[in-house]
Amino acid sequence: GENVEQHPSTLSVQEGDSAVIKCTYSDSASNYFPWYKQELGKGSQLIIDIRSNVGEKKDQRIAVTLNKTAKHFSLHITETQPEDSAVYFCAASIDSGYALNFGKGTSLLVTP
Amino acid sequence: EAQVTQNPRYLITVTGKKLTVTCSQNMNHEYMSWYRQDPGLGLRQIYYSMNVEVTDKGDVPEGYKVSRKEKRNFPLILESPSPNQTSLYFCASSRQPQGEQYFGPGTRLTVT
Repeated sequence: GENVEQHPSTLSVQEGDSAVIKCTYSDSASNYFPWYKQELGKGSQLIIDIRSNVGEKKDQRIAVTLNKTAKHFSLHITETQPEDSAVYFCAASIDSGYALNFGKGTSLLVTP
Repeated sequence: EAQVTQNPRYLITVTGKKLTVTCSQNMNHEYMSWYRQDPGLGLRQIYYSMNVEVTDKGDVPEGYKVSRKEKRNFPLILESPSPNQTSLYFCASSRQPQGEQYFGPGTRLTVT
């Protein structure tokens, strides 16, 4: 089955700096790659996603890049703010089913 | 308000005592899923359902049962809970198999 590796497991940045979280996947048939943000005590929320026919997608301070050849995708957060502090999960899936394989998560801390 | 609700939010029980965690969504979503979240392991899919009376196993189905008799409800049943099922459980729903998943607030289960 699909195996999603996520790095780093923890990340600490200063407010205003950029943060990058990287994920790799094993199944070349994977074609959908969402990123979820989990704030303390809450369920996860989708922040951005990308499909395999696109190399990059941006939404304000958040961007995701996808390298299908290398089978990795990354989340980029620019101008980080304290409210960006949360656990971020990457995931991958193929379109023949509903299985969504998550990475193990990255705990991001943005210090003022 | 569009939401996924779970009950109970917290539960402490003993080994072998059957329990049910309820999940309900008000968005008329066809797809629903259960995950467990453990430190260092991220989110792992337990079971999912693509429609009423259609369910399938995820990555970690052992020791769990589900049912989908109505579109809005997707209860998770632990017939004989064991301490290794102590975890944080999330229910999620989505309109499409590869679409935004809406997560519930989580149920923290402790089995002693």
